[in-house]
Amino acid sequence: NAGVTQTPKFQVLKTGQSMTLQCAQDMNHNSMYWYRQDPGMGLRLIYYSASEGTTDKGEVPNGYNVSRLNKREFSLRLESAAPSQTSVYFCASSALDRVGELFFGEGSRLTVL
Amino acid sequence: KNEVEQSPQNLTAQEGEFITINCSYSVGISALHWLQQHPGGGIVSLFMLSSGKKKHGRLIATINIQEKHSSLHITASHPRDSAVYICAGSGGSNYKLTFGKGTLLTVNP
Repeated sequence: NAGVTQTPKFQVLKTGQSMTLQCAQDMNHNSMYWYRQDPGMGLRLIYYSASEGTTDKGEVPNGYNVSRLNKREFSLRLESAAPSQTSVYFCASSALDRVGELFFGEGSRLTVL
Repeated sequence: KNEVEQSPQNLTAQEGEFITINCSYSVGISALHWLQQHPGGGIVSLFMLSSGKKKHGRLIATINIQEKHSSLHITASHPRDSAVYICAGSGGSNYKLTFGKGTLLTVNP
């Protein structure tokens, strides 16, 4: 079982460049999430999608956009990357009937120079 | 605002020791989650509980609703238990978890 798959695993960008992190889950989950993890801080929610066709802002949405392409896929886009967006990004999903039990991707380490 | 505080930040133990990691949370949190993050970075959900106690293998999670406190215990610890353990709270909107900063556990052989 693949679970939650996110790509790329590593990326180096220059300030101002754009990129999209891709996430797909094969567990038929309704909810999907994007988090960032920074040293000394807990995971912080960037955006989430409670169901196909809906997206909502989390704690730290500035500088990001998301697309819930279909039930399986939830992408995160950085339109103009900034050094403050250097982080490890995690995609996660959860089933509607077990909201809160999260299944995480392996993470994407992004460095913005 | 929901808040979650973990202690200790770092914990070093010898193989075989009994481990306890604590988590305190604020009003508004109705369910507590424990997650494990291995050195490779992957995060796995261990438990989700809103009352009582849950056990899986050598891991036990408890929650005291009145005191707004949860503990994660590891019995007969092993070096492979070395990881960051994270507690997170949910409440109100089920789609948003508030995460603690994590406890780095190192178990030496």
